[in-house]
Amino acid sequence: AQSVTQPDIHITVSEGASLELRCNYSYGATPYLFWYVQSPGQGLQLLLKYFSGDTLVQGIKGFEAEFKRSQSSFNLRKPSVHWSDAAEYFCAVIRSNDYKLSFGAGTTVTVRA
Amino acid sequence: EAGVVQSPRYKIIEKKQPVAFWCNPISGHNTLYWYLQNLGQGPELLIRYENEEAVDDSQLPKDRFSAERLKGVDSTLKIQPAELGDSAVYLCASSLVPGGTQYFGPGTRLTVL
Repeated sequence: AQSVTQPDIHITVSEGASLELRCNYSYGATPYLFWYVQSPGQGLQLLLKYFSGDTLVQGIKGFEAEFKRSQSSFNLRKPSVHWSDAAEYFCAVIRSNDYKLSFGAGTTVTVRA
Repeated sequence: EAGVVQSPRYKIIEKKQPVAFWCNPISGHNTLYWYLQNLGQGPELLIRYENEEAVDDSQLPKDRFSAERLKGVDSTLKIQPAELGDSAVYLCASSLVPGGTQYFGPGTRLTVL
């Protein structure tokens, strides 16, 4: 079985401050990992993905994530958040044997002025 | 390039009524997914299609839910009869190949009264 854990349900950050969202997964083999963002009333937009290779992945909107196999983590970071980054963020992992995409419960990010 | 298209965006019905959702995937994407997203949770897979074949429908409540993708392009998800607990967002996604990056539509928000 596999699962994705996002320990933080809600994070509040000041505009211009850095942001880090945590994601841990449990999966026996090498996973394919994703971060999606969902603004209110919208679908999920892909921020970045990791399949293999360089463990530091760059995405859209200034986001990056680092895959750490030893910690089973794929944390998302942004050096300086903008008010438009307020949204819900989902970490997801896909199993290579049946292609099933499993999502974490999400982290809601609030940006204060 | 157009993304995944879903309609309607919002639907309000009374319990026991039928409802249908439509999805048109990204052109050339052979794999199509329907997800259910409850409030405050990550999406959960209902069914996955490879072309016109449903290859994973293990999470689809078959007593009231049905889906079709007759020509291997667009797809319809139906609920009959709807129950109060079906109120949620129904997301459609597509990928070029199985296990590939999934791109999501805006979703249909269903409210059952």
